[in-house]
Amino acid sequence: NAGVTQTPKFRILKIGQSMTLQCTQDMNHNYMYWYRQDPGMGLKLIYYSVGAGITDKGEVPNGYNVSRSTTEDFPLRLELAAPSQTSVYFCASSSSGGTGRKEFFGPGTRLTVL
Amino acid sequence: DQQVKQNSPSLSVQEGRISILNCDYTNSMFDYFLWYKKYPAEGPTFLISISSIKDKNEDGRFTVFLNKSAKHLSLHIVPSQPGDSAVYFCAASYGGATNKLIFGTGTLLAVQP
Repeated sequence: NAGVTQTPKFRILKIGQSMTLQCTQDMNHNYMYWYRQDPGMGLKLIYYSVGAGITDKGEVPNGYNVSRSTTEDFPLRLELAAPSQTSVYFCASSSSGGTGRKEFFGPGTRLTVL
Repeated sequence: DQQVKQNSPSLSVQEGRISILNCDYTNSMFDYFLWYKKYPAEGPTFLISISSIKDKNEDGRFTVFLNKSAKHLSLHIVPSQPGDSAVYFCAASYGGATNKLIFGTGTLLAVQP
């Protein structure tokens, strides 16, 4: 199993540009998550999904959109990129959503907005 | 409002000695706690967890202790190895169908050979 894969690994955007961060998992997990990690900070949840066709906001959803058309894929869309979105983005998945779940993380996408 | 705090940004330990990483939390509703380990340029990986009904959980060289009255947990690594050098994140969650993980800011552990 490849686990959770993310593309691209790095990206530089200009202010106002848009892009999609890709995330795919091959563990047949229903639950998927997008986090961002700013320097010196913990991970903050952007959006999550409990299954195909179902998504919900996390702690910091502004400026982002997601979709979940299949169990495997959970892309994160940035519209009108801003410098405040410079961060490392991690996608994760888990087999359950309740207490005690174990999340499997992808390697991350480092995004810089200039 | 930082509900999960890791007040030590970094820790340096000699190989073979004990590493103790600390985590404090403010929300008494948290009922599950996890530790993740992160190497540079990689995603976090799950290390060990503990339910709030326990005060200790052990897995090989790793032991997590929970003190609910003090709202404090700690991760002990014995003996420490150079390969343990990484950033360690504490995370907490509370019940619900889809509970969210709240992460601390991380502690960078350096194990010196």
